[in-house]
Amino acid sequence: AQSVTQLDSHVSVSEGTPVLLRCNYSSSYSPSLFWYVQHPNKGLQLLLKYTSAATLVKGINGFEAEFKKSETSFHLTKPSAHMSDAAEYFCVVSEMIKAAGNKLTFGGGTRVLVKP
Amino acid sequence: DTGVSQNPRHKITKRGQNVTFRCDPISEHNRLYWYRQTLGQGPEFLTYFQNEAQLEKSRLLSDRFSAERPKGSFSTLEIQRTEQGDSAMYLCASSLGDPGLAAYNEQFFGPGTRLTVL
Repeated sequence: AQSVTQLDSHVSVSEGTPVLLRCNYSSSYSPSLFWYVQHPNKGLQLLLKYTSAATLVKGINGFEAEFKKSETSFHLTKPSAHMSDAAEYFCVVSEMIKAAGNKLTFGGGTRVLVKP
Repeated sequence: DTGVSQNPRHKITKRGQNVTFRCDPISEHNRLYWYRQTLGQGPEFLTYFQNEAQLEKSRLLSDRFSAERPKGSFSTLEIQRTEQGDSAMYLCASSLGDPGLAAYNEQFFGPGTRLTVL
C-alpha cells in the first residue's frame, strides 16, 4: 500500500521568510504525488502535482516541490511566505482504481502559521 | 459558482439518528468521491462512483453507511444509527480527467459537511 508521512505537524514562519514543508512517501512503483492546501472554511485546493515529467514542479502562489526518488521525498517550498499562506497543507499520493478513477491517500497535514 | 457544492454545511444530531448529506459535483464531471476527515487528520477515502456506478468502497464504510448517485449527477451519503465516532467533516470531490492518466487526475473538493453527533 502507498502512504505519505508529513514530518512536521506545525510550522511557524515569519512573513517574507522561506517555507519548507517536508513529505516522505512509500510506494512500490513510481508514485503520483500532489500537494493540496486547505484554508479554513474552504475546500481543498490543488497546489501542484508530480507526473514524472520533471522532478521540480512549480505550482500556484509561488510554491514548488522537488521529487527525489533516492530520498523518497517530495518537499514543498516557497521562497517568501505571505500572510495568506497560513493554512493546512497536505501531501498526497494518488493511485489508479477501477475505471480510471484515482484514490487519494493523504498525509496527516502540516499547519502553517505566518507571523507578521 | 460552478464548483462542487455540499449541503448542509453543518449538521448536529443525536446519537442513533439517521443523517443524509448531499453533494453536487461540477456538472461535466463523471467521477465522484467521498472522503472523511476527523479533527487533526488528513482526509480518508470512503467511496468512488463513475457515473451512477459505485465502483469502490473503503473498509471504513461500515454497513451503517450508504452512498448513492442515482442519475450520475448529485450524490447522497447516508449514515444510519449515528455514533459519536461518526463526528467528522465529510468531503465530496469530483473529477473528469484523462483515463490514460488516471493517477494524475485532479480532484476538485467541496467545502464539506461537518457532522457533530451528541
